[in-house]
Amino acid sequence: DAGVTQSPTHLIKTRGQQVTLRCSPISGHKSVSWYQQVLGQGPQFIFQYYEKEERGRGNFPDRFSARQFPNYSSELNVNALLLGDSALYLCASSFDFYNEQFFGPGTRLTVL
Amino acid sequence: GDSVTQMEGPVTLSEEAFLTINCTYTATGYPSLFWYVQYPGEGLQLLLKATKADDKGSNKGFEATYRKETTSFHLEKGSVQVSDSAVYFCALTRLNDMRFGAGTRLTVKP
Repeated sequence: DAGVTQSPTHLIKTRGQQVTLRCSPISGHKSVSWYQQVLGQGPQFIFQYYEKEERGRGNFPDRFSARQFPNYSSELNVNALLLGDSALYLCASSFDFYNEQFFGPGTRLTVL
Repeated sequence: GDSVTQMEGPVTLSEEAFLTINCTYTATGYPSLFWYVQYPGEGLQLLLKATKADDKGSNKGFEATYRKETTSFHLEKGSVQVSDSAVYFCALTRLNDMRFGAGTRLTVKP
């Protein structure tokens, strides 16, 4: 079975631009979570979606938004990019939000 | 709020040495505890987990026991290999988000 997939793999943007990251969960998984991993640190929780509804939000500004589609795939949007948004963005899926999460390979975002 | 603290690295060991990476947590209620491993350029892979006190998670020679009395979930392996070189993250989940420690980089030399 395919694991969690994310696109694109790498992305370079400039300050002030907007970016959209995409995630496809494991087949049958209904929950998708997004994490930001800054170099040298552990992942920080951004959002969790379950059955297309937001079920949790971490301590991130409103520039960060996300949504989940009927097929359970998800997009993370970041507006007005800052240099500090440069990070590896990880998507994780789980059957529901009580079960273990399976992570994708991540999207490496560089903001110049 | 809930949090995880794990020993700072980097940790450098010789092949076949014994490994311990300490992890302690702060949480209300009864979280589930996890160890994830991240190889260079890759995402996180679940290594092992424990969902209640005194549970022992194990996988690929790694073990960790959920100790509620000491709020700890230390990772151990009796004999490390070069292929175990990676960053190890301790994590907990209680509600609908997962909290990670800062990670411990392990390098195993032949």
